[in-house]
Amino acid sequence: DSGVTQTPKHLITATGQRVTLRCSPRSGDLSVYWYQQSLDQGLQFLIQYYNGEERAKGNILERFSAQQFPDLHSELNLSSLELGDSALYFCASSTGGGHNYEQYFGPGTRLTVT
Amino acid sequence: GQQVMQIPQYQHVQEGEDFTTYCNSSTTLSNIQWYKQRPGGHPVFLIQLVKSGEVKKQKRLTFQFGEAKKNSSLHITATQTTDVGTYFCAGSSNTGKLIFGQGTTLQVKP
Repeated sequence: DSGVTQTPKHLITATGQRVTLRCSPRSGDLSVYWYQQSLDQGLQFLIQYYNGEERAKGNILERFSAQQFPDLHSELNLSSLELGDSALYFCASSTGGGHNYEQYFGPGTRLTVT
Repeated sequence: GQQVMQIPQYQHVQEGEDFTTYCNSSTTLSNIQWYKQRPGGHPVFLIQLVKSGEVKKQKRLTFQFGEAKKNSSLHITATQTTDVGTYFCAGSSNTGKLIFGQGTTLQVKP
């Protein structure tokens, strides 16, 4: 158990819908990262927040947005869902905001878009 | 942009055989991390290398960082069935982002 929690574990929704994925980082960690893992795409970095502020942005689509709240939990919002958005979404956390901190991954949310 | 390539994509070995996965970056890296993801699980941090030519060992696992800090390798000696999973390297340069390789999935036949 990494100490990072993600809800829900599974999500099944239809194309065009909007969903929110939630992540609580390990106690004391200030950074939260979001990743998308598809079968043929490996781990794609989406976005990082550090202490409430956006720190780094990866290949995040405009239909996706995220935020980190004052209690440091984070939410990833996915809208106008397409079949290709079906994937495993991981949240990770680290103590610092730099790229040299080890990241602790949550169990993931499996999103299925039908 | 920065790219991290990993080979091979898949590797099947007999238990007891050695295994190596290679990671190559298009740019010079400031550090490289390795993660392991068991089937159905989440990535778990294994190690971080930061110095040119650095070699670190964890029991049967040996990690190397190239002299030019553009490549890295993970070598497992005498594989066991518990080594099954996908091994990811992840490198960062001055972009401030940790870029993951595609991973190498290791299958071990008992």
